[in-house]
Amino acid sequence: AQTVTQSQPEMSVQEAETVTLSCTYDTSESDYYLFWYKQPPSRQMILVIRQEAYKQQNATENRFSVNFQKAAKSFSLKISDSQLGDAAMYFCAYRSQSTGNQFYFGTGTSLTVIP
Amino acid sequence: KAGVTQTPRYLIKTRGQQVTLSCSPISGHRSVSWYQQTPGQGLQFLFEYFSETQRNKGNFPGRFSGRQFSNSRSEMNVSTLELGDSALYLCASSYPGLTSGANVLTFGAGSRLTVL
Repeated sequence: AQTVTQSQPEMSVQEAETVTLSCTYDTSESDYYLFWYKQPPSRQMILVIRQEAYKQQNATENRFSVNFQKAAKSFSLKISDSQLGDAAMYFCAYRSQSTGNQFYFGTGTSLTVIP
Repeated sequence: KAGVTQTPRYLIKTRGQQVTLSCSPISGHRSVSWYQQTPGQGLQFLFEYFSETQRNKGNFPGRFSGRQFSNSRSEMNVSTLELGDSALYLCASSYPGLTSGANVLTFGAGSRLTVL
C-alpha cells in the first residue's frame, strides 16, 4: 500500500512570512495525483492544491505553491505571505490510479500563524 | 451548489450499540467515500461507493458497513460499538473525469461519534 509521510507534526510562521510544509510518499506507480488539504479548527477539510504526477510543472494557487520532485517522491507545500486564516491542520494526500478513488493521507502538520 | 451534508453532526452512544451515519453528496457526484479521523491514526479510508456499488474497502472489521442509494446518498453503519470507534467520520464526494475538478474529494463537516 502507498504511504504518505509528513515529518513535521507542528510548524509555526510569522504573519506575512513564508513557510514550507514537507511531504514524502512511497509508491511504485508512475501515474497518480497528489493533494494538499487544509482542515481549519472548524474541521471542514478544504482542498488547497493538487498536482498530477505526469505534469512536470509545479501547481500554483495564489499564495500556495508546491515543489513536486517525482524522482525523490517529495511534494512540499509553500505558503507565501502567510495570513492568520492559514492556521490549520494541513494534510498531504495521494490518490492512486490503480485503486480507484482511494486516497492515502499523511498524519498532518499543524500550522500556527503568529501575528 | 450545496456542499456535502453529513448528519448527525454529533452523537453519543454506549458500547454495544449500533449507529448509522448519513451523507448527501454534491449534486452530480456519484462517488462517496468514508474516512475515520482520530488524533492518533489520522485519516483512514473506510470504503468508497460508486453508483450503488462498493468499489473499494479499507482495512476495517466487518462491523463497519455502508451502502449507497440510487440518488447517490450514502449511509455507513457501525454495529456493536467499541470505545475505540470514537472518532470523526468524514464523508467525501467526487466525480470522475479529466477536468480540473475531477477526482478531487470534497468533504462534509463530519459526524463526531463518542462511544461511552
